Amino acid sequence: QKEVEQDPGPLSVPEGAIVSLNCTYSNSAFQYFMWYRQYSRKGPELLMYTYSSGNKEDGRFTAQVDKSSKYISLFIRDSQPSDSATYLCAMSPSPSYTGANSKLTFGKGITLSVRP
Amino acid sequence: KAGVTQTPRYLIKTRGQQVTLSCSPISGHRSVSWYQQTPGQGLQFLFEYFSETQRNKGNFPGRFSGRQFSNSRSEMNVSTLELGDSALYLCASSFGQGYGYTFGSGTRLTVV
Repeated sequence: QKEVEQDPGPLSVPEGAIVSLNCTYSNSAFQYFMWYRQYSRKGPELLMYTYSSGNKEDGRFTAQVDKSSKYISLFIRDSQPSDSATYLCAMSPSPSYTGANSKLTFGKGITLSVRP
Repeated sequence: KAGVTQTPRYLIKTRGQQVTLSCSPISGHRSVSWYQQTPGQGLQFLFEYFSETQRNKGNFPGRFSGRQFSNSRSEMNVSTLELGDSALYLCASSFGQGYGYTFGSGTRLTVV
């Protein structure tokens, strides 16, 4: 079982739709959760960064973490064609973890296309 | 504020050769990580440096190595290149553990 699983997609939605992107994980040590957006020929861009369980909102984006279910989500409201990109979830253990405490473990990414 | 700068952007090398990639982190960031991105495996962690010390290493063969200089700039080296090393190599910098990572645009390495 992979440490982080992400829906493979691709996903195509009409402009204005609400998009839900999800990842599950198996490592209980993960404490820091991130969502990255990657445009073609570019590096990943940090969208959201959350610590432990709960919700975090930033504009049209909401990140949700449910540690009891080992499940994280990214919601995009009023999706725009400019949101068309690959979205990657990433996570890392807490600083107190004595193992691999610094690396990010990524999902494979899902390609989102928002149709005008 | 300048972002993470990676050079070169594109590189074509022949099997058996070696290659050095460079990364300049955001000013003030002392942690530099390297990742390999391929369509099949996605983003995989190579190694991380903090204050010139390798703090963590991924599951890659010893042909992959790196180092960090006192100004936090980092280089990674791949020796005896194989066709399977063709990938986008990404560098990320961070203020420290617990903060988000900012990625560069990557170096696209093609091994022929």
